[in-house]
Amino acid sequence: DQQVKQNSPSLSVQEGRISILNCDYTNSMFDYFLWYKKYPAEGPTFLISISSIKDKNEDGRFTVFLNKSAKHLSLHIVPSQPGDSAVYFCAASYTQGGSEKLVFGKGTKLTVNP
Amino acid sequence: EPEVTQTPSHQVTQMGQEVILRCVPISNHLYFYWYRQILGQKVEFLVSFYNNEISEKSEIFDDQFSVERPDGSNFTLKIRSTKLEDSAMYFCASSPGILSEQYFGPGTRLTVT
Repeated sequence: DQQVKQNSPSLSVQEGRISILNCDYTNSMFDYFLWYKKYPAEGPTFLISISSIKDKNEDGRFTVFLNKSAKHLSLHIVPSQPGDSAVYFCAASYTQGGSEKLVFGKGTKLTVNP
Repeated sequence: EPEVTQTPSHQVTQMGQEVILRCVPISNHLYFYWYRQILGQKVEFLVSFYNNEISEKSEIFDDQFSVERPDGSNFTLKIRSTKLEDSAMYFCASSPGILSEQYFGPGTRLTVT
């Protein structure tokens, strides 16, 4: 049951360039989306979120775009830094259904090369 | 900055034994969660807890699992009779409310032998 899909298991970019991480979802009832970053031996760290009533949310170097018609969201990191190297998880929830659970994608391992 | 803490960081147990994983959520949060991640797989939801009761649970959270908030600070996950397939990282999370980000602890690595 892959309601949230991250089809790229890995991504490598040069320092200073843009990193674009993609996520697709199948459940049209999802109304809240989040990106988490995870380092080895640590728990997921919240990065940025977006509600389904918006199509863009920006926080510093991180911007999340939501395309509801395509059931697609992306995380842009500009400029990318070596410290951004981690596994990035996309997650979604259906809060209007009274559910708080997050459904995660499998993650994309980002490597930012100096 | 407040954070979610979990103990122990690593627990090794024999199949059939009971384990209790402990979590201290962020103090002013109202919603508490357990997730797990089997090696190489997705992070999966187990259970959510609000107002001293389970608000939602997944099909993974069967009768072998239970959660408790024994006092004002701790939130525990008990596995009554562990199986080999329970080996995973278990993450506790908390949030101030619905439509809020969930903050995760560092995880407990459970190894069942």
